[in-house]
Amino acid sequence: TQLLEQSPQFLSIQEGENLTVYCNSSSVFSSLQWYRQEPGEGPVLLVTVVTGGEVKKLKRLTFQFGDARKDSSLHITAAQPGDTGLYLCAGELGTGNQFYFGTGTSLTVIP
Amino acid sequence: DTGVSQNPRHKITKRGQNVTFRCDPISEHNRLYWYRQTLGQGPEFLTYFQNEAQLEKSRLLSDRFSAERPKGSFSTLEIQRTEQGDSAMYLCASSFRDNHGYTFGSGTRLTVV
Repeated sequence: TQLLEQSPQFLSIQEGENLTVYCNSSSVFSSLQWYRQEPGEGPVLLVTVVTGGEVKKLKRLTFQFGDARKDSSLHITAAQPGDTGLYLCAGELGTGNQFYFGTGTSLTVIP
Repeated sequence: DTGVSQNPRHKITKRGQNVTFRCDPISEHNRLYWYRQTLGQGPEFLTYFQNEAQLEKSRLLSDRFSAERPKGSFSTLEIQRTEQGDSAMYLCASSFRDNHGYTFGSGTRLTVV
């Protein structure tokens, strides 16, 4: 079973719409990251959240870490075609030596 | 420094052949990771180095897989007697110790035919 489940798995929206991607687990994470990956490339780090309830904003992207540090969400306002890609969450257990990646959400923004 | 560099970008090999991939991390980063990603999935952890020491290996890393980081700088991942199930994107990442966040390379796409 996957440690981190993301939903939805696929999302296709029109330019200008808002969307939210969810990342859920039954495990508690010491930190959680969001990455964006384009086809044929490695993931690129967007944000790291470490405190339960933490909210971080990156232009039109808003990231939230759940109070219990088991889940996270990514909200995109007024999506643009350049937002198209695979969004991955990744959680760190304790002070472990690796991040566990979620299943990914493939976003397509149609002009 | 231009980030994490991986070579080759693509590799097509026949089943049963050996392949070796190289990763050059960001020079200041002492942690280096190998992940494997199949189509439609998130990356899966394979192994991790701190400097030249290999500190953790996944159960996914069968005895056909071996990784080295001889001088604590670049790393190699070798797959012996490749199988079709080894076809995947192999990603390398590096980070500072205790830093929250990886810098990934562009990956090596392996196709075993």
